[in-house]
Amino acid sequence: SSELTQDPAVSVALGQTVRITCQGDSLRSYYASWYQQKPGQAPVLVIYGKNNRPSGIPDRFSGSSSGNTASLTITGAQAEDEADYYCNSRDSSGNHLGVFGGGTKLTVL
Amino acid sequence: EVQLVQSGAEVKKPGESLKISCKGSGYSFTSYWIGWVRQMPGKGLEWMGIIYPGDSDTRYSPSFQGQVTISADKSISTAYLQWSSLKASDTAMYYCARRIAVAGEVDWFDPWGQGTLVTVSS
Repeated sequence: SSELTQDPAVSVALGQTVRITCQGDSLRSYYASWYQQKPGQAPVLVIYGKNNRPSGIPDRFSGSSSGNTASLTITGAQAEDEADYYCNSRDSSGNHLGVFGGGTKLTVL
Repeated sequence: EVQLVQSGAEVKKPGESLKISCKGSGYSFTSYWIGWVRQMPGKGLEWMGIIYPGDSDTRYSPSFQGQVTISADKSISTAYLQWSSLKASDTAMYYCARRIAVAGEVDWFDPWGQGTLVTVSS
């Protein structure tokens, strides 16, 4: 079982705001990173750390963290944002090991 | 441009061995960890393990310890994932990715390779 827990599916109306969450004890000590994966493609980093976006990622993507929960927010969701989203952080071993959340399927209506 | 290029798709029989590769370019290969990630058909991402090519320090997720071997040849900027005896349950897409870490705060994978599809079937 995953040490990071995500809702399996979330939906959002086109142009609205959606928050995807990731829960786990390790998030009290480490920030999460977030990845977008579209069908048939490799994952792409969208957010890392406190709230950092790699070059080329639209500013409608943002991240936040509180307690044992990390969140990815998409403000003004677009049709092209429909994808699977995964969080990633350290596991609880404290030995450089990591873990992914189970993933959230985002549907843009 | 930082890039990771993986070897091509493989079709193997149960019990066979396999080694897939991930070649880095556009950055100092020995200065960043490389991670391997499994994605079984229709499933999520699974963190397998990481290697630091500078000194070959390797860490495995408990789920994959003893099941696979991660290695690297820094002279050719290439990391490897290998199996000594494949099982049907090893059928999956395997991704490599460069891992960047800020000590004690966060680490992330960027970029990712294009993936190597491994199919194990009799």
